[in-house]
Amino acid sequence: AQSVSQHNHHVILSEAASLELGCNYSYGGTVNLFWYVQYPGQHLQLLLKYFSGDPLVKGIKGFEAEFIKSKFSFNLRKPSVQWSDTAEYFCAVTHGSSNTGKLIFGQGTTLQVKP
Amino acid sequence: DVKVTQSSRYLVKRTGEKVFLECVQDMDHENMFWYRQDPGLGLRLIYFSYDVKMKEKGDIPEGYSVSREKKERFSLILESASTNQTSMYLCASSLRQVPYFNTEAFFGQGTRLTVV
Repeated sequence: AQSVSQHNHHVILSEAASLELGCNYSYGGTVNLFWYVQYPGQHLQLLLKYFSGDPLVKGIKGFEAEFIKSKFSFNLRKPSVQWSDTAEYFCAVTHGSSNTGKLIFGQGTTLQVKP
Repeated sequence: DVKVTQSSRYLVKRTGEKVFLECVQDMDHENMFWYRQDPGLGLRLIYFSYDVKMKEKGDIPEGYSVSREKKERFSLILESASTNQTSMYLCASSLRQVPYFNTEAFFGQGTRLTVV
């Protein structure tokens, strides 16, 4: 079965530090990849998405992610985090060839940014 | 803006009760999803519907059923609530995926269900 793994469950950083959150998926075919964020007390919202083309994807608030097909990975990065980036981050995937769009999530990573 | 509305933010139910969680979306999306969110486990898919009256089991369907009689509404039913179903429940919707092209999912605010 298709699955998504996020290796870092809880990350603590100081402001201005660089961030990289790992995400790996198990499906061998074409995939669509997403990062969602959930700020405290708010609903999930999309940070960025990859469907095809340039494997380096830029999202909102200075986030980016790189799709590396050979490693089945879609890691999220930000060069310099801010206190307001404190949130829970979820990686998600759908099969690219699917005609429905069943969306599977990873376990999530809690990011705490210290001022 | 897409709006996904869940009927309740907080619910407290007794063990053995039949519980209905309702979700409505206003953007004519074909796909609707129910997830539960638990600390350290992320979002786990309970059920997925890709059209009216169509449903597909997710990773953890046991103890749950769903109903999709109208395109805009997707209901999650706990046939006999148990304490291990205490959780945050999230509803989402998206357009049907065309092969090799997808759209994002939009989420409701969640329903915090406590079963006592």
